[in-house]
Amino acid sequence: GAGVSQSPRYKVTKRGQDVALRCDPISGHVSLYWYRQALGQGPEFLTYFNYEAQQDKSGLPNDRFSAERPEGSISTLTIQRTEQRDSAMYRCASSLEQSNTEAFFGQGTRLTVV
Amino acid sequence: SQKIEQNSEALNIQEGKTATLTCNYTNYSPAYLQWYRQDPGRGPVFLLLIRENEKEKRKERLKVTFDTTLKQSLFHITASQPADSATYLCALAGAGFQKLVFGTGTRLLVSP
Repeated sequence: GAGVSQSPRYKVTKRGQDVALRCDPISGHVSLYWYRQALGQGPEFLTYFNYEAQQDKSGLPNDRFSAERPEGSISTLTIQRTEQRDSAMYRCASSLEQSNTEAFFGQGTRLTVV
Repeated sequence: SQKIEQNSEALNIQEGKTATLTCNYTNYSPAYLQWYRQDPGRGPVFLLLIRENEKEKRKERLKVTFDTTLKQSLFHITASQPADSATYLCALAGAGFQKLVFGTGTRLLVSP
């Protein structure tokens, strides 16, 4: 596709369940970022990849959160044993190169944990 | 710890005036600074990028300055229009394999 695609757009899950959020970046983009955004706040960095290598995961809140990008394209952010505090908008972005080029954002996945 | 600060209070200006938004940072030596626009319910959209060795960048009605001594960037929109109303985010990244980190954003409201 032409832009960054995230799925699902909306996810409601029960507390304790695992969820997997998918990001399909722009074709050929090297860098892929995951952010979490609360209402009225800027995107909060979670993790990022260059190709398939996870360069920085310092923003992942705890070990229930993990991400992978096994073939250097599609990425999955997994949250295990979800808690209500995990409810947020999760945004993925990709850029052609690393931090010196613009990031293109997807529409996000709105996660609600009930 | 690293900190990126943007004015959390909304900026209200009249159409035709110049809007100036501020981004300050501490404990950071960014190689690149970017500005994004975000509309409600949408993802951020890139506007401008400025490098540490550049003082100023322009694009149409937009102007960005980058002062590494003051650790500050200013973002100007001249001849503002109601359509410019949105939240504006600054983002910083270091050189090499460095993550792109965002500020909290400033909401701009341009009244007719």
